Amino acid sequence: EVQLLESGGGLVPPGGSLRLSCAASGFTFSGRAMSWVRQAPGKGLEWVSSISAGGDNTYTGDSVKGRFTISRDNSKNTLYLEMTSLRVEDTAFYYCATCVGSIDPFDKWGQGALVTVSS
Amino acid sequence: QSALTQPASVSGSPGQSITISCTGTSSDVGGHNYVSWYQQHPGEVPKLMIHNVSNRPSGVSYRFTGSKSGNTASLTISGLQAEDEAVYYCSSFSAGHTVLFGGGTKLTVL
Repeated sequence: EVQLLESGGGLVPPGGSLRLSCAASGFTFSGRAMSWVRQAPGKGLEWVSSISAGGDNTYTGDSVKGRFTISRDNSKNTLYLEMTSLRVEDTAFYYCATCVGSIDPFDKWGQGALVTVSS
Repeated sequence: QSALTQPASVSGSPGQSITISCTGTSSDVGGHNYVSWYQQHPGEVPKLMIHNVSNRPSGVSYRFTGSKSGNTASLTISGLQAEDEAVYYCSSFSAGHTVLFGGGTKLTVL
């Protein structure tokens, strides 16, 4: 059974940094592209970033480009999202998800990690 | 890049069929066949219902069908059931290797 467990969320002041992790199990992690998708409380879904199976290619949405960096460690079956220069509008649940293709769609989702940016 | 356009809400009675539209541009929905649909019940994570315009993942009911015409994709749910009440999101691969989501459509089963 596919399991995705996000960690690292929490409260951070504007301008701060945070690193999310997503521990994967139940499938061949190194064979699947992975993504981060976020959802502000009570709002819709927003794609954040995707990374190829080998980690060679990354893709990032305009709203976080230059501030967020996606990476992975296939030896640890773990996906990461490094977030810097955080803004209030980055407050959201951050989900890691497996990709059917090279960037989407997202077929398996974790339970999400809440990131709250507030002073 | 702007989000894809979906109606805020739709409703239908049990047994009826409803269709949710998702309008984009030639750079996303109209430019290829990488359109997906997700179902999200309150307090739950999204579930992939349709990918590549009309493909159903294993385990998804045949009552869910996807289609596309020009810059508009559609999700049709036939034989509405109470359990179908949820928010539905469309998404599309877009130019520049990005992914766009629609704003979501709340389906109410009357």
